[in-house]
Amino acid sequence: NAGVTQTPKFQVLKTGQSMTLQCAQDMNHEYMSWYRQDPGMGLRLIHYSVGAGITDQGEVPNGYNVSRSTTEDFPLRLLSAAPSQTSVYFCASSWGYEQYFGPGTRLTVT
Amino acid sequence: EDQVTQSPEALRLQEGESSSLNCSYTVSGLRGLFWYRQDPGKGPEFLFTLYSAGEEKEKERLKATLTKKESFLHITAPKPEDSATYLCAVQAGESGGGADGLTFGKGTHLIIQP
Repeated sequence: NAGVTQTPKFQVLKTGQSMTLQCAQDMNHEYMSWYRQDPGMGLRLIHYSVGAGITDQGEVPNGYNVSRSTTEDFPLRLLSAAPSQTSVYFCASSWGYEQYFGPGTRLTVT
Repeated sequence: EDQVTQSPEALRLQEGESSSLNCSYTVSGLRGLFWYRQDPGKGPEFLFTLYSAGEEKEKERLKATLTKKESFLHITAPKPEDSATYLCAVQAGESGGGADGLTFGKGTHLIIQP
């Protein structure tokens, strides 16, 4: 099993550009989620999904969209990138409460 | 509002010097407390789940304990490879799993010097 995979590993965007961060898992987990991690702020939940076709907002959802059309994939879309979205983004999946995290995407918005 | 506070923020130990990391929490209806290890440039790696006061879990040099207000991660005779950031998280509410109702602390950055 590859576990949770994320692409790309690194990305630089200009303010106003849009992009999609990809996340896939091969463990048949029901739950998937997106976090951002910033120095001094810890992990903050952006969006999460409890199953295909069902998504909900977390603590910091503004500026981000998600969809869950399959069990395996949970992409995160940045609609119009802003410097405040410079961060490390982690995708996670779980069957119960124990989260399994991907390797992360480091995003810089200039 | 659920709160998780980890202390200290950073800890530097000599190899073999045992110590403990603290995670204090305020939550209504604790469903579980989780410890994760995060190495630089990587995603958090799951270590332990504790469900009720008095419960203990062990893995190699690590032992996690839980009371009604806090959890400790005890590290015995640590080695340099134990250097990492250790994150604590609590799950509350009526969710069935996943990230719903999950709150993370900011972590303790542990350095073990040879």
